[in-house]
Amino acid sequence: AQSVTQPDIHITVSEGASLELRCNYSYGATPYLFWYVQSPGQGLQLLLKYFSGDTLVQGIKGFEAEFKRSQSSFNLRKPSVHWSDAAEYFCAVVATSGTYKYIFGTGTRLKVLA
Amino acid sequence: NAGVTQTPKFRILKIGQSMTLQCTQDMNHNYMYWYRQDPGMGLKLIYYSVGAGITDKGEVPNGYNVSRSTTEDFPLRLELAAPSQTSVYFCASGGQADQPQHFGDGTRLSIL
Repeated sequence: AQSVTQPDIHITVSEGASLELRCNYSYGATPYLFWYVQSPGQGLQLLLKYFSGDTLVQGIKGFEAEFKRSQSSFNLRKPSVHWSDAAEYFCAVVATSGTYKYIFGTGTRLKVLA
Repeated sequence: NAGVTQTPKFRILKIGQSMTLQCTQDMNHNYMYWYRQDPGMGLKLIYYSVGAGITDKGEVPNGYNVSRSTTEDFPLRLELAAPSQTSVYFCASGGQADQPQHFGDGTRLSIL
C-alpha cells in the first residue's frame, strides 16, 4: 500500500533563510506527487506537482521540489523564506493505477521568525 | 469564480443529532472527495465520487453517508453524531483522478 511520511512536524526558520521540507513515499512505482499549502482557517492550495520528466519542478510562490527516485523522496525547497510563508505544508501521492486515491502526509507546520 | 463552496463554516451539534454538510463545485469536475482533518493526523479520505450516481468509501467512512445526484453537489451526512466526529471537514473536487484537487475552506464541526 502507498504511504507518505513527513518526518518534521514543526520547522522554524528565520525570514530570509532557506527552507527544505522533507517528504518520503512508499509505492511500487513512481506515483504522482504533490505539495499543498494550508493557511490558517483555509483549505489546501496546490503549490506544485510532479507527474514525469524533469525531476526538479517549479511551483507558485517561489517554491520548488525535487523528485529523487533512489531515495523515494520529493522534498520542497525555497531559497529565501518570507513571513507570509508561515503555514502548514502537506505532501501527497496518488497511485498511477487503480483507484487514484490521494494519500496525504501528516503535514509540517512552518513558523517564520522576523 | 467560486470553485468549491462548503456550508456551513462552523457548527456545534449535540451527541445523537444529525446534519448534512453541503459541498458544491462550479468547475464541472467529475471527481469529488470528502476529507476530515484532525490535529497531527493530516487528511483522511471519508468518501469520494467519480461522477453523478457513483460513490465509494475511503479510509474512514464509518458514521457517514454521501450521495451524488448531480455533478455539482456532494453532500456529507452524519446520522448519529458522536464526539469522535469532531473535526474539520474538507470537500475537494478534481477534473481527473490524478489531477490536482481544488479544496473548499472547510467546515469546523464540534460535537458535545
